[in-house]
Parts: sequence; C-alpha cells; structure tokens
Amino acid sequence: ETGVTQTPRHLVMGMTNKKSLKCEQHLGHNAMYWYKQSAKKPLELMFVYNFKEQTENNSVPSRFSPECPNSSHLFLHLHTLQPEDSALYLCASSQEGLWGMHEQYFGPGTRLTVT
Amino acid sequence: DAKTTQPTSMDCAEGRAANLPCNHSTISGNEYVYWYRQIHSQGPQYIIHGLKNNETNEMASLIITEDRKSSTLILPHATLRDTAVYYCIVRIRGVASYDKVIFGPGTSLSVIP
Repeated sequence: ETGVTQTPRHLVMGMTNKKSLKCEQHLGHNAMYWYKQSAKKPLELMFVYNFKEQTENNSVPSRFSPECPNSSHLFLHLHTLQPEDSALYLCASSQEGLWGMHEQYFGPGTRLTVT
Repeated sequence: DAKTTQPTSMDCAEGRAANLPCNHSTISGNEYVYWYRQIHSQGPQYIIHGLKNNETNEMASLIITEDRKSSTLILPHATLRDTAVYYCIVRIRGVASYDKVIFGPGTSLSVIP
C-alpha cells in the first residue's frame, strides 16, 4: 500500500466509448503523474501536474485528456481510443514536481483493454 | 541525460546477495544515479539514489565507481519478494522538465528458491 489508489483496476472499452481513470493520493503531495506501460515497451511518462498546473505533456494524443482538480486527485479522460492504447496506466505522486528531489510513489495501475 | 545500460536478466539464489550492475559511461558531474524496481503487476517503487558516495538504506546499498561510469545495486540477502524488474536511471536532480522515457527496459531479477 503506497498511499496512491487508482480506479478502476481493470477496464475494457470499445473504441467509441468515453471513460475516465481516477487516481487519488493520500500523502499530501503536490505533484502527480500519468504513465503508460505497454507490453514489451519501456514505461512512458504522459503528463505531469505540479501544484495542479500541467507542466509536462509528452506528445500525447488528444484522445487522452488529463484533469487535476486539486493536488490529491488526478483523472485521465479517454475517448475514441485505438486498440494500441491498450496498456497499464500508472499514476504516481511526489512531494513536488522536481525530478529526484523526492521519490515518486506509484499506484497499482489500471489495466486498460480497447476492443 | 546520460544513457544507461543494464543486463536484460539475472538470477540470484535466495538468501544470497544480488548484485545488479549499471553502466552510465556518459554521466555528467551533476547527474545522480537512481534505482527503482517494479514487481509484477505493481507500480515502480523507489529504492535508493546517489551522486558519488556509496549509499545504504534499509532496502539496499548503492556502490558507485570512482569515475562514476558505472554502479552496482546490492540487495544483501535476496528473498523471493525481490523478484522484479530493476531500473537504473541517471538524471540531473531537481529539474522540472521530464523526458518521455525515464525508466528504460531494466534488469529482470529472478530470485530462485
């Protein structure tokens, strides 16, 4: 138990569906992250929020839309996804969004399957 | 940021020390070495980091060579629960910008009973 929770843990959706992934951290951190982990590919950073402001968007397609209403909650809104978007989506948090100053704590991930 | 190379996989007998190497021959003077691990079906977990001195915490020890071109993560008494992918990352500490790929392929460590 890392203090970072993610829901749902598993999600199957069609290409025309709209769904959202939720992440919540109970650690009092100010930075939150979305990562994507595909089969046989390195973990990729998608978005970074520092003090609720998006500071990084690593060329992520617009069918992925993040939302950070406060420092404890992070959402990833999904729409018109492709089968290649099937992956494990991991959320993480850290005390602030400066790399390495504080360790990142990861949630268990949401296993997404796009059919 | 400096690139790292790690063996793809390693085995270690339970109860023995696991020594995981990492090469980072192009490391610059202000880059730190970080280690994370990812147990199957879980998110990565921070282990340890260092600049040039050897470091130890309750999980592991980090040995960095004098020229800083390589390092070794040591798990002193490996258990089955240490079976995971171990990531060696070299980055400048305290920067606000991030690369898309921070965690490379890593080393898959299997602890054998």
